[in-house]
Amino acid sequence: ILNVEQSPQSLHVQEGDSTNFTCSFPSSNFYALHWYRWETAKSPEALFVMTLNGDEKKKGRISATLNTKEGYSYLYIKGSQPEDSATYLCASGNTGKLIFGQGTTLQVKP
Amino acid sequence: GAGVSQSPRYKVTKRGQDVALRCDPISGHVSLYWYRQALGQGPEFLTYFNYEAQQDKSGLPNDRFSAERPEGSISTLTIQRTEQRDSAMYRCASSTMGAPNVLTFGAGSRLTVL
Repeated sequence: ILNVEQSPQSLHVQEGDSTNFTCSFPSSNFYALHWYRWETAKSPEALFVMTLNGDEKKKGRISATLNTKEGYSYLYIKGSQPEDSATYLCASGNTGKLIFGQGTTLQVKP
Repeated sequence: GAGVSQSPRYKVTKRGQDVALRCDPISGHVSLYWYRQALGQGPEFLTYFNYEAQQDKSGLPNDRFSAERPEGSISTLTIQRTEQRDSAMYRCASSTMGAPNVLTFGAGSRLTVL
């Protein structure tokens, strides 16, 4: 059984702060690691997909790293803005069957 | 279509009734997925299709749940003899077949069983 864990469960930061959160997953039989951004009342939207150990991806102020040997990925947000407030989901698994973590809910206060 | 379309958006039903949830994927997306999401939780895998073939149904909770995609496009998730514990958001997603697959999710169907 594949367990994907995210921490912290929730996070409150001030506008302008940089922040990061963690996704851990079983390192055996690793295939891919996905990050999704999910705003309440909307659908999850893909941020990054990473497959190789040491992968780093960046989109604007958001970046992610991947360590497949130890089974973790970090998501970083630099200079948080109120519009970054959302739940960030990671998921891992084989083609077709993604196992999602419970998410980290970020609240950025103006 | 431009996005993944799900219907109905909201469904309220009485315990014991059957419900059918529909998903219309992005045009050209070969793979289609069904997930269930409880409040405050991440999506939970139910099943997925490549074209019309159901590749993995290991996430379906029991035999009251079934899914089909007969022509490789629109899919229907059917829940028979609904129970209160079936209440959740049911999300459909689609993707191209290239790996790794990036999923595009629909808005979901919120099911409430009274």
